[in-house]
Amino acid sequence: ETGVTQTPRHLVMGMTNKKSLKCEQHLGHNAMYWYKQSAKKPLELMFVYSLEERVENNSVPSRFSPECPNSSHLFLHLHTLQPEDSALYLCASSQDMENAKNIQYFGAGTRLSVL
Amino acid sequence: GQNIDQPTEMTATEGAIVQINCTYQTSGFNGLFWYQQHAGEAPTFLSYNVLDGLEEKGRFSSFLSRSKGYSYLLLKELQMKDSASYLCAVVDSNYQLIWGAGTKLIIKP
Repeated sequence: ETGVTQTPRHLVMGMTNKKSLKCEQHLGHNAMYWYKQSAKKPLELMFVYSLEERVENNSVPSRFSPECPNSSHLFLHLHTLQPEDSALYLCASSQDMENAKNIQYFGAGTRLSVL
Repeated sequence: GQNIDQPTEMTATEGAIVQINCTYQTSGFNGLFWYQQHAGEAPTFLSYNVLDGLEEKGRFSSFLSRSKGYSYLLLKELQMKDSASYLCAVVDSNYQLIWGAGTKLIIKP
């Protein structure tokens, strides 16, 4: 148990569907992250929130829309996805962003399949 | 560009020792992390090195040479539960994590 919970664990959706991924952290951290993990590729940072404000958006297509209503919750809203978006989506949190030894704690991820 | 290299897959025998290497070229360096990820589970923190040398933590040790842009993770007395992917990540000058693609370690009896 890492203190970061993601739901759902698995999601299958068509290209015209709209769905949302949820992440909740119980660690009292100030920073939260969304990553995409594809087979045999490095983790791709998608979005970063610090104190509920977005501080990073690494050229992610607009069909991915993040939302951070408070410091404990993070959502990733999905719409009109493409088959190449199929991947494991990981959420992480850390105490803050200004520290080099900034250990990130991960959730188990949502395995997304786009048909 | 920034780059982290680690072997894609390694195989080792239960009870043996294995060394997983990681080389990096990044814009600045503020430390290096190793994470373990079992299939279908969350990556979990193993170690952080910012100074040259070896840091030991039970069966796992991590080594760093900043001048060579090189790190390794050493696993001793391998157990079947050590079968997992091992991720290397470097903190660059902007305090961003640059990740390697991970090394899948297979332990055989």
